[in-house]
Amino acid sequence: DGGITQSPKYLFRKEGQNVTLSCEQNLNHDAMYWYRQDPGQGLRLIYYSQIVNDFQKGDIAEGYSVSREKKESFPLTVTSAQKNPTAFYLCASRADRSGSGYTFGSGTRLTVV
Amino acid sequence: SQQGEEDPQALSIQEGENATMNCSYKTSINNLQWYRQNSGRGLVHLILIRSNEREKHSGRLRVTLDTSKKSSSLLITASRAADTASYFCATVTGANNLFFGTGTRLTVIP
Repeated sequence: DGGITQSPKYLFRKEGQNVTLSCEQNLNHDAMYWYRQDPGQGLRLIYYSQIVNDFQKGDIAEGYSVSREKKESFPLTVTSAQKNPTAFYLCASRADRSGSGYTFGSGTRLTVV
Repeated sequence: SQQGEEDPQALSIQEGENATMNCSYKTSINNLQWYRQNSGRGLVHLILIRSNEREKHSGRLRVTLDTSKKSSSLLITASRAADTASYFCATVTGANNLFFGTGTRLTVIP
């Protein structure tokens, strides 16, 4: 079945470390997105990519970095510059340009220890 | 921020009752979407309504959109315990990016 796979499901990071969250899709979607969700909150956009080798900052990009070398993959790196990284991270992809058809992964819960 | 707001923040009803959630947003939109999230899981797309539509149905779901008031509502009829989840509205603007509201936590009591 087609879908989005995020890994790992749970991730623990020591302060000062960089960590990379994986997001892979086999839906042939052009656009991919990373969102952050804090407890009891909505989702906030971190980065997005409309096409391979191109990406744009969202509302809260500071302390994060991404790459889009392949259509299927959009990894997110949480750097040591992100002061409060503990959160639930969700990856999504979109089917077409009309704004419809967003598909979400099951998320990665990152905890700083 | 283009983030919207849902109202109420939390809603608790008995099984079989209807649940209504409201969403307000700030900017002109291309479409508005509703998503469901079970605790600790990803989001599931429920329904999309375009800016030139006023009402849309999908099974037990009914969505309305009033662009003059920049608001939308989601009605779930004949609720079930399995409907317990958080519900988010999300707007799509010219950039075709999703901007989410803060969510309504729905609890359906068996």
